[in-house]
Amino acid sequence: ETGVTQSPTHLIKTRGQQVTLRCSSQSGHNTVSWYQQALGQGPQFIFQYYREEENGRGNFPPRFSGLQFPNYSSELNVNALELDDSALYLCASSLDLKWDTEAFFGQGTRLTVV
Amino acid sequence: GDSVTQMEGPVTLSEEAFLTINCTYTATGYPSLFWYVQYPGEGLQLLLKATKADDKGSNKGFEATYRKETTSFHLEKGSVQVSDSAVYFCALKGGSARQLTFGSGTQLTVLP
Repeated sequence: ETGVTQSPTHLIKTRGQQVTLRCSSQSGHNTVSWYQQALGQGPQFIFQYYREEENGRGNFPPRFSGLQFPNYSSELNVNALELDDSALYLCASSLDLKWDTEAFFGQGTRLTVV
Repeated sequence: GDSVTQMEGPVTLSEEAFLTINCTYTATGYPSLFWYVQYPGEGLQLLLKATKADDKGSNKGFEATYRKETTSFHLEKGSVQVSDSAVYFCALKGGSARQLTFGSGTQLTVLP
């Protein structure tokens, strides 16, 4: 079985631009979550998708938006990039929404905003 | 809201030393507790988990016990190896939300 894959692995964008990050969930997983990890910090929850519907959102502005497709892959879109958006963006997939279900993480996309 | 507090790092140990990384949490209800490990340049890997009070999670020589009375989930290993050098994150899921809430991470360096 394939794991969680993210693309691209690295990205450099200019302030004010827009970016789309992609995530393929692990086979059979219907839940995808996105996290932002600033340097030296723990991951912060952005939002979660369950069966193509947004199922929860963290404390991030509306310029962070997402999508989940029928095959349960997902996109994270960020508009009007700011320097503080520079971070490692992690995608995690899980089998379901249960509290004890393990989340499997991808390698992350390193976004640098200049 | 839910929160996780981890022992501040970095932690530097000699090979074969005993490791403890402290983790305490605040959450409503009865969350599940996790330890994740992040090696340089990689994503997070689940190290172990515990889903109810007094459960002990264990993997690769690491252990942690879910202590409801002290709201703690301390990570321990009896004899660390150089290959254990990584950042360790304590996390919870449940309580007031279904996503993972992470601590700030503890950098561990093991010297030969």
